[in-house]
Amino acid sequence: DAKTTQPTSMDCAEGRAANLPCNHSTISGNEYVYWYRQIHSQGPQYIIHGLKNNETNEMASLIITEDRKSSTLILPHATLRDTAVYYCIVRVGRGNKLVFGAGTILRVKS
Amino acid sequence: DSGVTQTPKHLITATGQRVTLRCSPRSGDLSVYWYQQSLDQGLQFLIHYYNGEERAKGNILERFSAQQFPDLHSELNLSSLELGDSALYFCASSVEASLRETQYFGPGTRLLVL
Repeated sequence: DAKTTQPTSMDCAEGRAANLPCNHSTISGNEYVYWYRQIHSQGPQYIIHGLKNNETNEMASLIITEDRKSSTLILPHATLRDTAVYYCIVRVGRGNKLVFGAGTILRVKS
Repeated sequence: DSGVTQTPKHLITATGQRVTLRCSPRSGDLSVYWYQQSLDQGLQFLIHYYNGEERAKGNILERFSAQQFPDLHSELNLSSLELGDSALYFCASSVEASLRETQYFGPGTRLLVL
């Protein structure tokens, strides 16, 4: 399974952009990068995903480097409700499972 | 709200017992996935069903089993429960079973084995 590396934790000031990095140097050409977040013990919430191109939706932007070995999730205007564990996941082929790592704890502070 | 429902929300039982967790996928979704989240193991994939058929197994114990019914809801059966089975159990659903399909998670069932 392609592995991802994320910082253990990050702090962000409320109203500022939160930039969460992820390294996935062993990613294969047809593997997608997915981002989920989990607030407290709620079910993981889908944020965004991408293959090669940068992506943007109502929640966030995803920037993928040209070599696809790393990506950055951007929350443009972080709020206190964005405090959560953020998971960067590379989708693996067999079984279509999501392989979760430890994720990044993002703390948004006022 | 993801559209995925799980019942019950909380379950407290004793060691050696058997429980059934239920998941209703989003309307139109054919795939159901089960995940376990414990304090020491994090979120782990258990099993995937697509349109009633088992597609893949992860780290699912032999004491655990699952099935997906014709109406597409799924049940996860946990038997001979041990203290270590205490965890959050999530199900997720997606329309199909490809890598491009986003999985949407339910709110989970919190199981406590005493």
